[in-house]
Amino acid sequence: GEDVEQSLFLSVREGDSSVINCTYTDSSSTYLYWYKQEPGAGLQLLTYIFSNMDMKQDQRLTVLLNKKDKHLSLRIADTQTGDSAIYFCAESYTNAGKSTFGDGTTLTVKP
Amino acid sequence: EAQVTQNPRYLITVTGKKLTVTCSQNMNHEYMSWYRQDPGLGLRQIYYSMNVEVTDKGDVPEGYKVSRKEKRNFPLILESPSPNQTSLYFCASSRLAGVGGEQFFGPGTRLTVL
Repeated sequence: GEDVEQSLFLSVREGDSSVINCTYTDSSSTYLYWYKQEPGAGLQLLTYIFSNMDMKQDQRLTVLLNKKDKHLSLRIADTQTGDSAIYFCAESYTNAGKSTFGDGTTLTVKP
Repeated sequence: EAQVTQNPRYLITVTGKKLTVTCSQNMNHEYMSWYRQDPGLGLRQIYYSMNVEVTDKGDVPEGYKVSRKEKRNFPLILESPSPNQTSLYFCASSRLAGVGGEQFFGPGTRLTVL
């Protein structure tokens, strides 16, 4: 079955880069997503990557996809205190309703 | 303003007392979904709906019911709530399912079942 795994915690200093990792097991995944959840709020989409891509960059965010190892990463450059949140990796499939989320990585940014 | 709304935001109830959590979206989205969030377990999908009158089970449907009689609403029904359904619930919607689109999440409903 589908499974998405992430490490639970990451702590970095302000200005450093953060790298959040995710592994998934279902090779039929079509889309892989990164969502951000701030305290007391719902999830908000940060970025997504189609499964036939290797990399996607969007301002401070870089997503890398290694299909062979089923590994997805999110790099946040110049991490700020406002980036402190829980980050969820998720996968879904074209025209299918099921979505699978990881357990979330809590990113703490220290001044 | 484009949004997903959920009501109530907070609810404390007792075992066995039927309850409904409403979800409404104003974006004319076809796809809607319910999730529960528990510490250490991330988000788990309860039910989803690809369109009006089309619903299907997610990963943890036991103890829950849904209906999709109209496009904008997707209520979550707990016929006989139990303490293990104490959780934070999120409703989400997207234009289409699984086509790279963003899921828009509601603010969450924190449910406590005593």
